[in-house]
Formats: sequence, C-alpha cells, structure tokens
Amino acid sequence: KAGVTQTPRYLIKTRGQQVTLSCSPISGHRSVSWYQQTPGQGLQFLFEYFSETQRNKGNFPGRFSGRQFSNSRSEMNVSTLELGDSALYLCASSLAGDGNEQFFGPGTRLTVL
Amino acid sequence: GENVEQHPSTLSVQEGDSAVIKCTYSDSASNYFPWYKQELGKGPQLIIDIRSNVGEKKDQRIAVTLNKTAKHFSLHITETQPEDSAVYFCAATIFGNEKLTFGTGTRLTIIP
Repeated sequence: KAGVTQTPRYLIKTRGQQVTLSCSPISGHRSVSWYQQTPGQGLQFLFEYFSETQRNKGNFPGRFSGRQFSNSRSEMNVSTLELGDSALYLCASSLAGDGNEQFFGPGTRLTVL
Repeated sequence: GENVEQHPSTLSVQEGDSAVIKCTYSDSASNYFPWYKQELGKGPQLIIDIRSNVGEKKDQRIAVTLNKTAKHFSLHITETQPEDSAVYFCAATIFGNEKLTFGTGTRLTIIP
C-alpha cells in the first residue's frame, strides 16, 4: 500500500506571496492532519480534516487554511507569507475511527525569502 | 491544553548499549502515547504506541512504559544499532482525537 505523498517536496517563495501544498493520504484513510515543523517550535498541529470538514484546529493565524476533497486528498494554503513561515510542513493520515495511528508523509520544505 | 516535555534533547550511546528517552505530559485526560522516529529528510515514522489501559508494551528491541499516576512515559531501545540513530519524538493525545501534542525531540546517536 502506498504511503502518504506530499507535493511539492521543496518550495521557495517570497514574502507576501501565497502557497498551496498538497497531500494524498494512504488509500482508505479518511482523516488528514497537518503539522508545521521548525527548529525553534518543533512539531505543531495546524488542523485536521475528516470527511471534507475541519474537525480540529491548532493555534495558527487565519493565514493558514486548508480543505479536503471527497477523495480525502487535502490541501493547505498559506497566504501573505512571512519569513517565519519557513518550515517543513507535514501531512499525516489515519483511519480515524480505528485507532489513532497517524502515518506521516515526507513533508514539503517551504522557504520564504 | 496538553504540554509534553521530553528529555534528554541529545543522547549518545555505544552500539549494543540501551537508550532511554523520557516524556512527561500535563493533561490527565490524555490516554494515547505514540513514539515517532524521524530520519534526515523524512517524515516521522510511528515506531510504537501505548494506550493508558496498559503499563508496558514491547516490540522486539523497543519498549514503552507508562506511569499514569506520575504522568510520564518512556521509550527503551535495547541492543542499539547504528540504524537507530535518528531524532525521536514522543506525543500525547486523547484516543480518538487526531491532534497530537509532541515533545521537543531527542537526537539519538549510536557510536559504533
């Protein structure tokens, strides 16, 4: 079974731009969560989507948003990029209903210049 | 909200020796505790998890123990090998809640 895939793997943007990251969960997984990983703040939860609905949200500003499609694929968007948004953005999927086991993708490395 | 502390931040052990990483959590409602291993350039990989209805769980060279009263849990790796070198993260949540609160990570280095 294929794992969680994320595209693109690397991205360079400038301040003020916006960016969209994509995540395809493991086949059959209905929950997709997003995390931001930085050296200073570690791994922080952004939000979780289940059945196309945001079910849980972390403490990030409204510039960070996401959505989930009917095939469970998810996208996250960051608008008006700031230097501090430079991070590894990780997506994790789970069955959501059959335990908490979350499986992570390789991440998208976003650099904001 | 939940807060997870993890120690040590770095750990070096001789190949073949054991390694122990400890975490404490603050929310007594948390009842699911996974451990992840992250290698360079990769996403975190789930290596073992424990639920609060058990005190210990083993999987070959890896074991996790949980003390609900003290609100701490530990990862034990025995007979360490070079491929165990990585960053390890503990996490906590309430079973059924997909929001994981992570510890700050432990960089484990196995010395050949």
